[in-house]
Amino acid sequence: QKEVEQDPGPLSVPEGAIVSLNCTYSNSAFQYFMWYRQYSRKGPELLMYTYSSGNKEDGRFTAQVDKSSKYISLFIRDSQPSDSATYLCATGQTGANNLFFGTGTRLTVIP
Amino acid sequence: GAGVSQSPSNKVTEKGKDVELRCDPISGHTALYWYRQSLGQGLEFLIYFQGNSAPDKSGLPSDRFSAERTGGSVSTLTIQRTQQEDSAVYLCASTDSGGNNSPLHFGNGTRLTVT
Repeated sequence: QKEVEQDPGPLSVPEGAIVSLNCTYSNSAFQYFMWYRQYSRKGPELLMYTYSSGNKEDGRFTAQVDKSSKYISLFIRDSQPSDSATYLCATGQTGANNLFFGTGTRLTVIP
Repeated sequence: GAGVSQSPSNKVTEKGKDVELRCDPISGHTALYWYRQSLGQGLEFLIYFQGNSAPDKSGLPSDRFSAERTGGSVSTLTIQRTQQEDSAVYLCASTDSGGNNSPLHFGNGTRLTVT
């Protein structure tokens, strides 16, 4: 079983839609949860970072973690064409050197 | 300021040749990571350097892969006797303190194609 599972999509939505991106993870010891956004031919850039269960909001983006079900989500409100990218979830545990990444979900927002 | 710089951005090589990929981290960042990104596979951890400590090489897929970091700054990932399955994007990331509670700053990667 992979440490992190993520639906690769692709996902295509109209501009203004609410987008929901999801990952599941296998290790209950994982404590840090991140979402990275990766544009074509670029490196991933950190979008959201959370440490605990619950919600964290930043502008149009909300990251949600449910440790009881080992489920992490990223919601994008009022999606824009500029949000078109691949979104990668990542998680890890304290003291470990490695972050485990999902395979990424490719999102296209259609104007 | 400058971000993480990787070179070359693209590399095409013949099977069996050796390649060297370079990473110049953000100035002052003590931790440096190499990841490999293959289509449909996500990011695969390769190696981690933190300051002057011995590197964590647990992710290197075979002994054909090696990496070094000189002077705590620039890092080189070397792949010997390249195989077609080595074709991927090799990403370097740095962070200011290491451990996964610090956001990683990625370069744009080197796209390696082995023919």
